[in-house]
Amino acid sequence: GENVEQHPSTLSVQEGDSAVIKCTYSDSASNYFPWYKQELGKRPQLIIDIRSNVGEKKDQRIAVTLNKTAKHFSLHITETQPEDSAVYFCAARAAGNKLTFGGGTRVLVKP
Amino acid sequence: GAGVSQSPSNKVTEKGKDVELRCDPISGHTALYWYRQSLGQGLEFLIYFQGNSAPDKSGLPSDRFSAERTGGSVSTLTIQRTQQEDSAVYLCASSLRQGVEKLFFGSGTQLSVL
Repeated sequence: GENVEQHPSTLSVQEGDSAVIKCTYSDSASNYFPWYKQELGKRPQLIIDIRSNVGEKKDQRIAVTLNKTAKHFSLHITETQPEDSAVYFCAARAAGNKLTFGGGTRVLVKP
Repeated sequence: GAGVSQSPSNKVTEKGKDVELRCDPISGHTALYWYRQSLGQGLEFLIYFQGNSAPDKSGLPSDRFSAERTGGSVSTLTIQRTQQEDSAVYLCASSLRQGVEKLFFGSGTQLSVL
């Protein structure tokens, strides 16, 4: 089955700096890669996603890049703000529509 | 309802007891997932339902875990003979249909096995 690895597990950045989270996946048939944000005590929510026919997608301060050959994808957050502090999960969908999540990255933005 | 609803929000049980966790997906959503989130950990896939298709049970950790979805709507996750390692937050999520990937998560059930 699909296996998704996520790094780092924790990330501390100064407000205004950029944050980058990286994920790798194992199943070359995976074709959909979402990112979810989970604030403390809340449910995960989709923030951005990318499909395998696209190499990069941007939405305001967040962007996701995908390298199908290397089977890795990354989340980039620019100009970080305190409200960006949360746990971020990457995921990959292979055959059967099952979504496999990475282990999560706890991001702390220091003011 | 407006979102995915889970009940109970908290469940404390004794080791060896059975528990049932309930999930009400968003009306009209045909895909339903159960995930488990242990403290500070990632989202562990448990089971996936899609319409009338046979569920994908590949994530269930043992035969003590089972789930059903009645009438294509409400789902119940049952854990028999609970163990302390079952303590976690159990999250349910639904999506409109296969191919519409955005998951809407419930607020979860915090299960504590004493």
